Amino acid sequence: EAGVAQSPRYKIIEKRQSVAFWCNPISGHATLYWYQQILGQGPKLLIQFQNNGVVDDSQLPKDRFSAERLKGVDSTLKIQPAKLEDSAMYLCASSSYRLEETQYFGPGTRLLVL
Amino acid sequence: AQSVTQLGSHVSVSEGALVLLRCNYSSSVPPYLFWYVQYPNQGLQLLLKYTSAATLVKGINGFEAEFKKSETSFHLTKPSAHMSDAAEYFCAGLLQGGSEKLVFGKGTKLTVNP
Repeated sequence: EAGVAQSPRYKIIEKRQSVAFWCNPISGHATLYWYQQILGQGPKLLIQFQNNGVVDDSQLPKDRFSAERLKGVDSTLKIQPAKLEDSAMYLCASSSYRLEETQYFGPGTRLLVL
Repeated sequence: AQSVTQLGSHVSVSEGALVLLRCNYSSSVPPYLFWYVQYPNQGLQLLLKYTSAATLVKGINGFEAEFKKSETSFHLTKPSAHMSDAAEYFCAGLLQGGSEKLVFGKGTKLTVNP
């Protein structure tokens, strides 16, 4: 079974530029999550989708971050414009419908904002 | 507030020694608890999870964890450390009664000395 796919793996941009990350979850998983992991910290949930609907985006900085999950499968996370403090690992995870089910993580995208 | 606390941001052991990584949770009802491992520049991999069945949970790579309700703890152990265990370990909880999203501790970096 293929795991969660993410691209790109690394991205370097200058502040005020825009950037987009892509995630393809495990086939059949209804729930998709985007996390931000700042160096030395645990992952923090940015947004959670159930199929193509948003369940929780309470910690998403909506003035600069946006995310979508078209057709309930792939998802993209965009930052526009980027700030220095956005430098982090961005992790995508997916799980089946039930809340207590394991979240499976992708390899992440390391973002550096200069 | 619902939280997961990992005691010790860095733990160093000798190869062959016992590994003990501590995790405490704060929740009004018994949670679902997880331990994940993260190798450098990679995503998170599930080691084991507690979902209110057996209190002693066995995971991959020889790790296990014991859920102790009286101590609100879910410490991770391995009898004999191997060099390949060097990584960062995250305890996470689905803290029901709160926002019902996965809350991560800040992580513990494990170093294994030869």
